[in-house]
Amino acid sequence: NAGVTQTPKFQVLKTGQSMTLQCAQDMNHNSMYWYRQDPGMGLRLIYYSASEGTTDKGEVPNGYNVSRLNKREFSLRLESAAPSQTSVYFCASSEPQGYSYEQYFGPGTRLTVT
Amino acid sequence: AQSVTQLDSHVSVSEGTPVLLRCNYSSSYSPSLFWYVQHPNKGLQLLLKYTSAATLVKGINGFEAEFKKSETSFHLTKPSAHMSDAAEYFCVVTPLLGGGFKTIFGAGTRLFVKA
Repeated sequence: NAGVTQTPKFQVLKTGQSMTLQCAQDMNHNSMYWYRQDPGMGLRLIYYSASEGTTDKGEVPNGYNVSRLNKREFSLRLESAAPSQTSVYFCASSEPQGYSYEQYFGPGTRLTVT
Repeated sequence: AQSVTQLDSHVSVSEGTPVLLRCNYSSSYSPSLFWYVQHPNKGLQLLLKYTSAATLVKGINGFEAEFKKSETSFHLTKPSAHMSDAAEYFCVVTPLLGGGFKTIFGAGTRLFVKA
């Protein structure tokens, strides 16, 4: 049981390049999330998927797209990377357990855009 | 609307002394509250959670937190700090009855532990 996995762990892009961040979970969770973490700002939600086949914008969606490929996988795409997208990206998943909506996080992708 | 304020961006303690990390929240819903820990270059790990049962919540590694509705606080404590506790800690609020996408993270408190 690997939990939430993310690839790659590190990436350096030049301005204007594109890339896709991959995320997979093996906990059979319906909901999945993409966050970015910047110093002093906590985590901010980019996009989420409440269930397979649905995606919605979060707080900071500009410059990103997502695909919920199946129940396990949720990818994040940067079409034209900008230096402002330098950040650490976390994928998470959750499934309601009673009143709890605890989220489980992957190890993160550290992205630098030059 | 919801918000979370972690009152200290940095806290420094000596090994063996108590830890107090402060968190205030506001929520128009009945909240679930969480504390997560993030060690350097790692993902977030759940320390403990409050979901409307006992107001004093015990978590992993000797941490606990008390939900105080009258003070809208959910402070994290540990009686005796260990070097391995040095990390960043996040206070998190989400509506009790759903909406993981409504989860709000505090800005984080970095805990330093001196030998």
